[in-house]
This record gives sequence, C-alpha cells and structure tokens, in this order.
Amino acid sequence: DAGITQSPRHKVTETGTPVTLRCHQTENHRYMYWYRQDPGHGLRLIHYSYGVKDTDKGEVSDGYSVSRSKTEDFLLTLESATSSQTSVYFCAIQTGSGANVLTFGAGSRLTVL
Amino acid sequence: QKEVEQNSGPLSVPEGAIASLNCTYSDRGSQSFFWYRQYSGKSPELIMSIYSNGDKEDGRFTAQLNKASQYVSLLIRDSQPSDSATYLCAAGGGSYIPTFGRGTSLIVHP
Repeated sequence: DAGITQSPRHKVTETGTPVTLRCHQTENHRYMYWYRQDPGHGLRLIHYSYGVKDTDKGEVSDGYSVSRSKTEDFLLTLESATSSQTSVYFCAIQTGSGANVLTFGAGSRLTVL
Repeated sequence: QKEVEQNSGPLSVPEGAIASLNCTYSDRGSQSFFWYRQYSGKSPELIMSIYSNGDKEDGRFTAQLNKASQYVSLLIRDSQPSDSATYLCAAGGGSYIPTFGRGTSLIVHP
C-alpha cells in the first residue's frame, strides 16, 4: 500500500466559497499530482509538484492553486469555487521503479452548488 | 499537444472470451506505456506497464507495444465479469508527466 490519503472524500459547497483538498503521503515520494476526472474527459492534470515548494501547472490549472510546504502534503485550493469545478479529484504520487508509474488516492468528490 | 486516443466503448465480450483494448499515442518521444483499470466509483490502479516493442505477459493480461505504429494494446484472456471496468491507457516520456487517454469501458457478460 503506497500510503496516500485524500481528504475530504466528499464535499458539497456553494459557488464562490473557497475549498481546499488535501493529499497526504507517508512514503516520501518526490512527485505528486492533482487530476480531475469528468465524464467524457478522462483524467486531466491540474497541477503537479516535483518537490517542496516546487510546483507547476497542468492542462486545466485555471481557477486552482496548489501548495507543498512539506514533502508529505500537497494541497489543492479552489479560491472561489464554481459549478464547473464540480468533479472527482484524484491525487497521485509517482511510485515504482520507473518514471510515470502513478499510484492514486481514493478520490475526493466535490459538488459546487 | 500530446494525445492518447482510446475508443470509449463500451466493449462487450462474453465470459471466457478475449477482450482486446487498443490505444494510439501522438508523441513519438513517449518511452513508457501503462494500462490502468478503474472500477466504477474507485480510483485507477496500474495493471500493466510496457517499455519495449513486443509483448509483455502477466497472468491473463498481455500488453503489446508497436512504437513504429504508435500503438499499444491490452489483451485480457479468459475474461471474467470481475474484469468489467474502464481501462485507461497512458503514455509517458522523460518529464514524469504521463498523458492519459479517456478510457475504454469493458463489459464482460456471463
């Protein structure tokens, strides 16, 4: 078990409110990722991190920010949630012996009303 | 724009048959290829990785890679109802940022 947990697992919020999703790992992996998954779109990369305080944008980063102040935690923040951000959010860590091998967290289902 | 293309399906096969899932990728620089399985309401889990041209077998699963044709496939032999899931193809290069396809839904009916 790669030891990756996401919180909260489910959240309902209202448009315009801030939301923070947390991803926590226990194995000191360098690379961490945030994806969103929507029907018909598959997995889309929001942001990723390659170390403490080292982050970069993915293909759908607008409206999202991230922070990584400790190796084990990668936070995804929606500063002002919109209905288009209703989605399932997956955190992933790069594990295994080769690059690009990912282990995913259980997911966080966010509903923005 | 790096792209990984998959037929969304659903692909329906009878129990015991061979299921064949296919994917193409656009980036010739891709060096590693993966198949993830995702059950409804769950997170993706890695089932196969392949890095060289040819076949790689693991139990009932065989991954096939043809870099010249930019084509990756997954064969599932003796398909079981428990194999019913969405299968995601992914391709990666040296950037540690894999690109995922949209997934193919597989239904194995008794």
